[in-house]
Amino acid sequence: QKEVEQNSGPLSVPEGAIASLNCTYSDRGSQSFFWYRQYSGKSPELIMFIYSNGDKEDGRFTAQLNKASQYVSLLIRDSQPSDSATYLCAVPTGGFKTIFGAGTRLFVKA
Amino acid sequence: KAGVTQTPRYLIKTRGQQVTLSCSPISGHRSVSWYQQTPGQGLQFLFEYFSETQRNKGNFPGRFSGRQFSNSRSEMNVSTLELGDSALYLCASSDRQMNTGELFFGEGSRLTVL
Repeated sequence: QKEVEQNSGPLSVPEGAIASLNCTYSDRGSQSFFWYRQYSGKSPELIMFIYSNGDKEDGRFTAQLNKASQYVSLLIRDSQPSDSATYLCAVPTGGFKTIFGAGTRLFVKA
Repeated sequence: KAGVTQTPRYLIKTRGQQVTLSCSPISGHRSVSWYQQTPGQGLQFLFEYFSETQRNKGNFPGRFSGRQFSNSRSEMNVSTLELGDSALYLCASSDRQMNTGELFFGEGSRLTVL
């Protein structure tokens, strides 16, 4: 079992819709969870992080965490074509080693 | 504040050669991590350096090595290159003292092995 798993997609949504990206992790001791966005040919950039169970909202982005189910998700409301990218779920382990999921490719159709 | 700088951005090598990649972290960041990114495997952790010491290592063969200097700049070296080493090598710096876990990535060094 991989430590951090994501559906590789591609996930295709129409402009204005909600995109839902999911991630599961294996280490029950994990405390923090990060979502990075990577445009084609570019390096990853942080868009959200979450530490506590529940929801965290930042503009059109909402991160959801359920530690009991070892599940973290990212919702993108009012999706725009500029949101088309690969979204990486990342989980730091002890000792500053961060494990990344394989990423979910999102396409937002205009 | 300047970002993470990686050099060279692109390079082509042949099998059996070796390569050295360089990474300058954000000023004040003392932690540098290296990742290999390929289409099939995604982002794979290579190693992390902090205060000139390797603190963590991923599951890569000994051909992959690195070091960190007193100014926090880091280099990674791959010896006896194989075709499968073709990848984007990403360096990320972080502020361990802030302990947020956020990684700041450089633009990467794209290595092609022929």
